[in-house]
This record gives sequence, structure tokens and C-alpha cells, in this order.
Amino acid sequence: KAGVTQTPRYLIKTRGQQVTLSCSPISGHRSVSWYQQTPGQGLQFLFEYFSETQRNKGNFPGRFSGRQFSNSRSEMNVSTLELGDSALYLCASSLSTGARQETQYFGPGTRLLVL
Amino acid sequence: AQSVSQHNHHVILSEAASLELGCNYSYGGTVNLFWYVQYPGQHLQLLLKYFSGDPLVKGIKGFEAEFIKSKFSFNLRKPSVQWSDTAEYFCAVISGSGATNKLIFGTGTLLAVQP
Repeated sequence: KAGVTQTPRYLIKTRGQQVTLSCSPISGHRSVSWYQQTPGQGLQFLFEYFSETQRNKGNFPGRFSGRQFSNSRSEMNVSTLELGDSALYLCASSLSTGARQETQYFGPGTRLLVL
Repeated sequence: AQSVSQHNHHVILSEAASLELGCNYSYGGTVNLFWYVQYPGQHLQLLLKYFSGDPLVKGIKGFEAEFIKSKFSFNLRKPSVQWSDTAEYFCAVISGSGATNKLIFGTGTLLAVQP
């Protein structure tokens, strides 16, 4: 079974631009979560989608948004990029029958550099 | 707000030494606890998890963790480390009730095992 895939793997943008990152979950997985990883703040939860609905949201500004499609693939968008948005963005998927006892499988991440 | 603390940021051990990494969380209600590991150049992957029952849980690669509710702790242990255990280790918690996959991570512990 293929793992979680994220595209692109690397991205360089300039301040003020916007960016869209994509995540394809493991086949059959319905929940997709996004995390930001930085050296200073560590791993921080952005949002979680389940059946095309946002189920949870972290403490990030409205410039960060996401969506999930009917095939469970997810995208996240960051508008008006700031230098501090430079980070590794991780996507994780799980079966999500509604229970919390499921393993989340992480993708390799998209490394975003904002200049 | 819920938080997770990992006391050791960097740990250096020789092969065959015993390992214990500390993890404390701040939430007093229902918690699900996890340890994730990130080997150099690899995805974040699950080592072990606790949801209920026996507070001593065993994971992959000889790791185990003990949930002590009275101390709000979930320390990771391994009796004898190997060079291949060199990695970054993250403690994480899902707290509260309801269906969610929102993981709150600690800041991570970088373990270096010297051959």
C-alpha cells in the first residue's frame, strides 16, 4: 500500500505570494491532518479534515486554510506569505472511523522557504 | 491550554546503555498518549501508543512506555540502545472527548547513540 504522499517536496516563494500544498492520504483513509514543523515552535497542529469537513483547527491565522476533496485528498493554502511561514509542512492520514485510537501515518512533508 | 513537556532536548548515550526520555502533559481529563520517532531523512512514525488498560505499553524496536496518571507522565524507555536508535523522539497527546486526531506534540528529544 502506498504511503502518504505530499507534493511538492520543496518550494521557494517570496513574501506576499500564496502557496498551495497537496496531500494524498493512504488509500481508504478518510481523515487528513496538517502540521507545521519549525525549529523554534516544533510540531504544531494546523487543521484536520474528515469527509470534506474541517473537524478541528489549530491556532493559526486565517491566512492558513485548507480543504478536502471527495477522494480524501487534501490541500492547504497559505496566502500573503511571511518569512515566518518557512517550515516543513506535514500531512498525516488515518482511517478515522470516528474513534481516536487510530494510528496517524505521516507523509515526508513539503519544505517551504519564504524569501 | 493543553501542553506536552519533554525535559531532555538532547541526549547522548553509548550503545547498550539504557534510555529513559521524560514526557509530561498538562491535561487532566481523558488522554490518548503517543511516542513518535523521526529517523534521519525519514518520515515521522509511531513507536507506541496508550489509550486505556495496562499502563505499560510496548512498541516497536524494543521500546516501551509507562503511563502514570497521578504524575501526568508517559516516559519512554529502552533497556539497551543501539546506534540505529539515533533519531528525534516526540511525545504527543490527544486530549478531551469527541472524535479528533489533533495531536499536541512536545518539543522533541534528539537522541544520539555513539557506537
